[in-house]
Amino acid sequence: GENVEQHPSTLSVQEGDSAVIKCTYSDSASNYFPWYKQELGKGPQLIIDIRSNVGEKKDQRIAVTLNKTAKHFSLHITETQPEDSAVYFCAASDDMRFGAGTRLTVKP
Amino acid sequence: GAGVSQSPSNKVTEKGKDVELRCDPISGHTALYWYRQSLGQGLEFLIYFQGNSAPDKSGLPSDRFSAERTGGSVSTLTIQRTQQEDSAVYLCASSLAGTAYGYTFGSGTRLTVV
Repeated sequence: GENVEQHPSTLSVQEGDSAVIKCTYSDSASNYFPWYKQELGKGPQLIIDIRSNVGEKKDQRIAVTLNKTAKHFSLHITETQPEDSAVYFCAASDDMRFGAGTRLTVKP
Repeated sequence: GAGVSQSPSNKVTEKGKDVELRCDPISGHTALYWYRQSLGQGLEFLIYFQGNSAPDKSGLPSDRFSAERTGGSVSTLTIQRTQQEDSAVYLCASSLAGTAYGYTFGSGTRLTVV
């Protein structure tokens, strides 16, 4: 089965800086890689995803990059804002398990 | 409906009692998942339903936990003889057609066993 590792577990940045969260996966057959944001007291929400036929996808201030050879993918948040503070989870298809999560804190 | 609905939103139960948690997925979504999240922790997979296939129960922590999905729609997670370590938020999610599609999560049921 799939094994997804996520790091760092915590990340603190200054408002306006960029944040990068990385995940590695083990199953080369995985072809779908979503990222979820969980705010306090709420369920996780899908924020961006990428399929294996592309290397990068961007949506305003967030982007995801995929390196299939190395089996890792990353979430990039630019011009961070305090409302980006949350826990972020990654996942890889063919398994129902998520990465352990990254708690992002954006300091004003 | 517009989203995934879970009920109740909060449940306090006495140790040893049975509880039932309900999930209404998005209409037309064939896949349904249950997760457990302890305070400040990650998402622990419990069970996965996909269409008419046999559910993947590999994440259920003990035989006190069971789930069913009636008519390919509503699902109920049952915990028998609850223990204090069962206290957590139980999250339900649905997706269009399996794990290669994004999940929509409900707001969860916060279970407290006293």
